Amino acid sequence: ETGVTQTPRHLVMGMTNKKSLKCEQHLGHNAMYWYKQSAKKPLELMFVYNFKEQTENNSVPSRFSPECPNSSHLFLHLHTLQPEDSALYLCASSPGLQETQYFGPGTRLLVL
Amino acid sequence: SQQGEEDPQALSIQEGENATMNCSYKTSINNLQWYRQNSGRGLVHLILIRSNEREKHSGRLRVTLDTSKKSSSLLITASRAADTASYFCATAGLQGAQKLVFGQGTRLTINP
Repeated sequence: ETGVTQTPRHLVMGMTNKKSLKCEQHLGHNAMYWYKQSAKKPLELMFVYNFKEQTENNSVPSRFSPECPNSSHLFLHLHTLQPEDSALYLCASSPGLQETQYFGPGTRLLVL
Repeated sequence: SQQGEEDPQALSIQEGENATMNCSYKTSINNLQWYRQNSGRGLVHLILIRSNEREKHSGRLRVTLDTSKKSSSLLITASRAADTASYFCATAGLQGAQKLVFGQGTRLTINP
């Protein structure tokens, strides 16, 4: 247990659905991250929040929309996804941007 | 890009043998971190080594850093079947606001 939780752990959705992924940490960390990990591809950083402010958006399509309402919670809202968006979505947090990151267990997403 | 590149991409050894994985990067760093990921799970932090350090140990793990060669190695001694996982290096650039950048990982398989 790293102290970072993600829900749901598994998600199957159609291309017209709207769903949200949730990440929660009570470690007192200031930075939170969303990563995408596809089969046989490197870990892709999607979004970075530092002190609740988005500091990075790595050219992520607008069908992915992050939200950070407070320093403990991070959401990834999904809308009109494509089958190629099927992947493991990992959330992480860290005390600061260059410090050790603590990862959640991930959400395995399948888009049909 | 400061992205670390792990070498080899895949490594298969017999239980009890030592496993060595390497990471090379391109720009100067503040620190370098190694993570482990079991299949389909989140990453787990192993060791952080700062740019002014040359070697660190943690149990059966030994990490070295050569800033002149811009490279690091992770040695796992007396490997066990449970060490089977993917191992990633991540680098933190010189600017404090820079995030960690992960490499593509080495897939390690320990054969019983």
